[in-house]
Amino acid sequence: KAGVTQTPRYLIKTRGQQVTLSCSPISGHRSVSWYQQTPGQGLQFLFEYFSETQRNKGNFPGRFSGRQFSNSRSEMNVSTLELGDSALYLCASSLAVNEQFFGPGTRLTVL
Amino acid sequence: GQQVMQIPQYQHVQEGEDFTTYCNSSTTLSNIQWYKQRPGGHPVFLIQLVKSGEVKKQKRLTFQFGEAKKNSSLHITATQTTDVGTYFCAGPSNFGNEKLTFGTGTRLTIIP
Repeated sequence: KAGVTQTPRYLIKTRGQQVTLSCSPISGHRSVSWYQQTPGQGLQFLFEYFSETQRNKGNFPGRFSGRQFSNSRSEMNVSTLELGDSALYLCASSLAVNEQFFGPGTRLTVL
Repeated sequence: GQQVMQIPQYQHVQEGEDFTTYCNSSTTLSNIQWYKQRPGGHPVFLIQLVKSGEVKKQKRLTFQFGEAKKNSSLHITATQTTDVGTYFCAGPSNFGNEKLTFGTGTRLTIIP
């Protein structure tokens, strides 16, 4: 089985721009979660989607949004980028709220 | 909200020494999961514990889930250079459609 894939792997943006990250889960997994990882804050939960519905949401501003498509692929969007948004964005898929299979992540740098 | 703390934050050990990381949640967990993230990599699932007081072993790794289901530990016997990485615990905050809250992580460095 193919693992979780994320595109792009690296991204450089400037403040004020917006960005869309993509995640393709493992085939058959309907749950997709997004996390932000920074050296200072660790792994922070952004949101989880299940069958195209947002099931859980973390404590991030409304600039962070996401969606899931009928094929379980997911995208997350960050608008009006800030310097503090520089981070590794990880996507994870699972069958339920148990073992999370992580993708390689997208390294976002905001200049 | 739920908080999951891990101690220590960093640990440097000589190869062959033992290593332990402790995980403490502010709320009761329905289960506890452990992940390992190698430098430059992504978190990889190691194990899940569900029952109060449960102990599981994977070769040199021993995982425990506390009786109150609010704490857990990971012990590595006779560390090897391949054990380098950051170890995270994670647990769902409530029963039902709970989100996974990750611990702060313990970064293990091995001195050859």
